[in-house]
Amino acid sequence: QSALTQPRSVSGSPGQSVTISCTGTSSDVGGYNYVSWYQQHPGKAPKLMIYDVSKRPSGVPDRFSGSKSGNTASLTISGLQAEDEADYYCCSYVGSYTSRVFGGGTKLTVL
Amino acid sequence: EVQLVESGGGLVQPGGSLRLSCAASGFTVSSNYMSWVRQAPGKGLEWVSLIYSGGSTYYADSVKGRFTISRDNSKNTLYLQMNSLRTEDTSVYYCARETYYDGSGYPYSDYWGQGTLVTVSS
Repeated sequence: QSALTQPRSVSGSPGQSVTISCTGTSSDVGGYNYVSWYQQHPGKAPKLMIYDVSKRPSGVPDRFSGSKSGNTASLTISGLQAEDEADYYCCSYVGSYTSRVFGGGTKLTVL
Repeated sequence: EVQLVESGGGLVQPGGSLRLSCAASGFTVSSNYMSWVRQAPGKGLEWVSLIYSGGSTYYADSVKGRFTISRDNSKNTLYLQMNSLRTEDTSVYYCARETYYDGSGYPYSDYWGQGTLVTVSS
């Protein structure tokens, strides 16, 4: 199972919005509504930010939103804040045996 | 409070074995799905293995036949037995609790440990 495709890096200024894409195939992103996004700060464990394509766990700011069109999922962060600077990983269910696959990760820089 | 604490990482030679532990508190390991995810130095996340509450286990193709996920209910601890280790297995290994959020048909990793570093090198 190949990793999902994400841009290596994105950037934005405080207050702006950025969108991170995650491209897979009909066997993963396009085939299931089980896409999630994780935020990881340097040296820290990942944190779940979005699940089921567009749902937020309790405590995640509504500045974070998710969507999907075809084989591509997207994470949008609006009203960028300095603390949003981190690596972001998408993840998709791929079927019962392989379970899940991650994207390669995107480094978000807040200018 | 939910906590996961991994241990057992270290330096091992290629072909060697290592067993990672993940001690849980604040919930019952056997009642939850649990997973292992790894991250090579400077690289992205890679799913490794998953164990269902019923005991079914699943593995990434890259570790199938070499790694075994298990749990000790009496110790509320998750394990990852790693055999025939290769240099490409060098990573920080995280354990994670899986949760079914309301209305979802799939579990997600909602709590993670701090990770334990495994280095495979001669």
